[in-house]
This record gives sequence, C-alpha cells and structure tokens, in this order.
Amino acid sequence: KQEVTQIPAALSVPEGENLVLNCSFTDSAIYNLQWFRQDPGKGLTSLLLIQSSQREQTSGRLNASLDKSSGRSTLYIAASQPGDSATYLCAVWTYNTDKLIFGTGTRLQVFP
Amino acid sequence: EAGVAQSPRYKIIEKRQSVAFWCNPISGHATLYWYQQILGQGPKLLIQFQNNGVVDDSQLPKDRFSAERLKGVDSTLKIQPAKLEDSAVYLCASSFSGGASYNEQFFGPGTRLTVL
Repeated sequence: KQEVTQIPAALSVPEGENLVLNCSFTDSAIYNLQWFRQDPGKGLTSLLLIQSSQREQTSGRLNASLDKSSGRSTLYIAASQPGDSATYLCAVWTYNTDKLIFGTGTRLQVFP
Repeated sequence: EAGVAQSPRYKIIEKRQSVAFWCNPISGHATLYWYQQILGQGPKLLIQFQNNGVVDDSQLPKDRFSAERLKGVDSTLKIQPAKLEDSAVYLCASSFSGGASYNEQFFGPGTRLTVL
C-alpha cells in the first residue's frame, strides 16, 4: 500500500529565506509525482509534475527533485515571499493503485 | 478556459440530515473525481468516473454516500444521513482522460461541509 509522508508538517520563516520541503513515498513503482499548492478556502493548484523518468523540474523560484529509488522528493523554494504562504501537498500516481495518493501536506507561513 | 466549478462553497448541516454537492468539470474532460479532504490530511479519492461510468468507488462509504454523473458531464455527490466524521472539504477534479496513462487533474475550489 502506497503511503506518502511530508516533513515538516508546518514551517514558519522570514521573507527571503530559501526553503526545502520533503516528501517520501513507500512504493517506488510510480508513474509520476506532483506538487500542489492549496490556499485556504480554495482548491489545489498544480505547481510541478515530475515524470518517473525525470530527476527534476523547475518553474520560476520553484525546483522539485525526484529520487525514485529512495522514495523521496524535495520542493525547493528560493527567496521565499509572503505570497508563498499556503499548504503544499505532494502526490504520487502509482502503477499498483492507479490513483493519485496524497501526502498530509506542509503548512508554510512566510512573514515579512 | 473555465475551470472546475463546484457548489455550494460552504454547507452546515446537523447530523442525520442529507446534503448534496454539485460539480461541473472542464469542458471536454472525460474523467471526473471526487475527493474528501479531512482537516490536516491530504485528499482521499472517493470515486472516479470515466464519462458516465464508475471506474473506482472502492473508498466510497456506500451505506451513506452516493454519486452519479448523468450524461457524462455534471456530477452530484450525496451524503444521507450525514455523520459528524463527514465534516471535510469535498473536492472535485477532472482530467482529459484517466487510466494508467496519467493525465493531469484540475481541481475545483471545493465544498466545505460542517456537520454539527
């Protein structure tokens, strides 16, 4: 059974810091891994999608890496801003379950 | 392109009452998903439709939850009767097609249900 864990559960940092959010999964037979952002009262916004054959994806100040063999992914946020405050979720699409399995999320607060 | 629409955005009911949520997916998306997100947890898939057929409802509590997607477009998720533990955000998502060949899912804003 695929299990997805995210560490830390919550993070509060001053503006300008570089951040690393961690995601681990137990079944390495994944099709892809996706990072989402969730703002209070809103749905999920896809940030980055990494196919199983890829090592990383970049979008602006965001960089996500994938190490399938060790079951880990990291989301790197450069020069954090208050507008980055949100909950970040990672999710994997696993061959065995054929569905998107989510982690519990990291709640990020960036203060001025 | 219009996104996934959901209504209502918020609903407060008492336990044992019934409630229904509505979802309108992105035009042309054949696959529709309903997720339940309990506070502090990640979303959990309740049911997946491919057009108007059910692909996966293994995690749907069928004694109280039901869902339909008539005509393969809009979908309704119903809870009858509601329990306290049903308090959650219910997210609807859609994708161009589902199956093992993953297609990116697009999520609606969700419906926040509070059961008192």
